[in-house]
Amino acid sequence: EVQLVESGGGLVQPGGSLRLSCAASGFSLSSYEMNWVRQAPGKGLEWVSDINSSGSVRYYADSVKGRFTISRDNAKNSLYLQMNSLRDEDTAVYYCGRVPMAASSYHYNYLDVWGKGTTVTVSS
Amino acid sequence: EIVMTQSPAALSVSLGERATLSCRASQSVSSNLAWYLQKPGQAPRLLIYGASTRAAGTPARFSGSGSGTDFTLTISSLQSEDFAVYYCQQYDHWPPLTFGGGTKVEIK
Repeated sequence: EVQLVESGGGLVQPGGSLRLSCAASGFSLSSYEMNWVRQAPGKGLEWVSDINSSGSVRYYADSVKGRFTISRDNAKNSLYLQMNSLRDEDTAVYYCGRVPMAASSYHYNYLDVWGKGTTVTVSS
Repeated sequence: EIVMTQSPAALSVSLGERATLSCRASQSVSSNLAWYLQKPGQAPRLLIYGASTRAAGTPARFSGSGSGTDFTLTISSLQSEDFAVYYCQQYDHWPPLTFGGGTKVEIK
């Protein structure tokens, strides 16, 4: 079964750091572009970051640029999001998502597989 | 950044009725638009990509149409499992990827 499982969320004080992980199973992560998307409590979806299959190209939303770093370890079939200098407004459920291979080849970016999410709460 | 606007914000529909959801882009996104469904406490699920292509497992009662700036998701005959929040997302001009604010489909 194709599956993504996020972990690493929790309660952190403003200014603190967290590292989220996304473990892939049922497919080889190395073949896929991946994204992080978040959802604040009671709000809509907000794109956070994208990384290509090799890890050589990364994109970030302006709201997290300079604070968050996306990375991957294809040998471990895992995706990561290092979050530093956390703010109250970073409180959200964080989802990882997979881009279909056919889409990536055209620079299309929509997500056909999503994890269940991990909750990050930034509060003092 | 392309702004995606969905309407209405909420829609009350009876079982078996037709539902029509709209999504408008602030500039043309060609046909590079996806629709997702999200149930409470669950992750979003891809329904439609390329504005009108159903994703694997999407029932035929879901159809997408439109191109350029105006798009529509139609659910031909609402089933109980269809009551959820629906989001559109453009991927024509990115980064950033942008989502609409969502339409909540409720039972009438």
